[in-house]
Amino acid sequence: VQLVESGGGVVQPGRSLRLSCTASGFTFRSYGMHWVRQAPGKGLEWVPCISSSSSYINHVDSVKGRFTISRDNSKDTLYLQINNLRAEDTAVYYCAKDLTFRYSFMDVWGKGTTVTVSS
Amino acid sequence: EFVLTQSPATLSLSPGERATLSCRASQTVSFYLAWYQQKPGQAPRLLIYDASNRATGIPDRFSGSGSGTDFTLTISSLEPEDFAVYYCQQRNNWLITFGQGTRLEIK
Repeated sequence: VQLVESGGGVVQPGRSLRLSCTASGFTFRSYGMHWVRQAPGKGLEWVPCISSSSSYINHVDSVKGRFTISRDNSKDTLYLQINNLRAEDTAVYYCAKDLTFRYSFMDVWGKGTTVTVSS
Repeated sequence: EFVLTQSPATLSLSPGERATLSCRASQTVSFYLAWYQQKPGQAPRLLIYDASNRATGIPDRFSGSGSGTDFTLTISSLEPEDFAVYYCQQRNNWLITFGQGTRLEIK
């Protein structure tokens, strides 16, 4: 069971980025998925979640309108589109598998991809 | 705004001692609470879910209790590898919140 994130990097403020998370070792289409970020030296912040069939999606209020979670079950891949990047978006972004098809708790985590917003 | 408050912020103990970590919710979460362990440079690891269920592969020295607004993670006898940061997490109305973390350090 593995999750591998990609797509991070150094990005200028105001630009966009799409993160990807490729799953293996489990039936991806059966589980809800999440993105969680961690700013340098800070705690964990849940960002969005998406149910197994994409029927239910929610984002933390602070990123609504800029962040969009999506998934492609045919490719076993989760995405996070981030628009209008801000300095405060600098963080390690983890994707995580939910215990259920909806949203609850996260039992498998990727190693994370680092996003640095800087001019 | 839904808030999870963890205490203490830092806990200094020795190997072999018992650790008790607290998580208090600003509103009731029933039993929908989890605990995670995070070591430096690593992703978090799920320890406990639904307040008291151990995740797969978690040693039985880790236990969780509580319901409503007050929850506890207990480590019965600390091993050297248990020194890390611990987070609680709740889920409610399609929103997820983490506590600010408790750092468990070697005394």
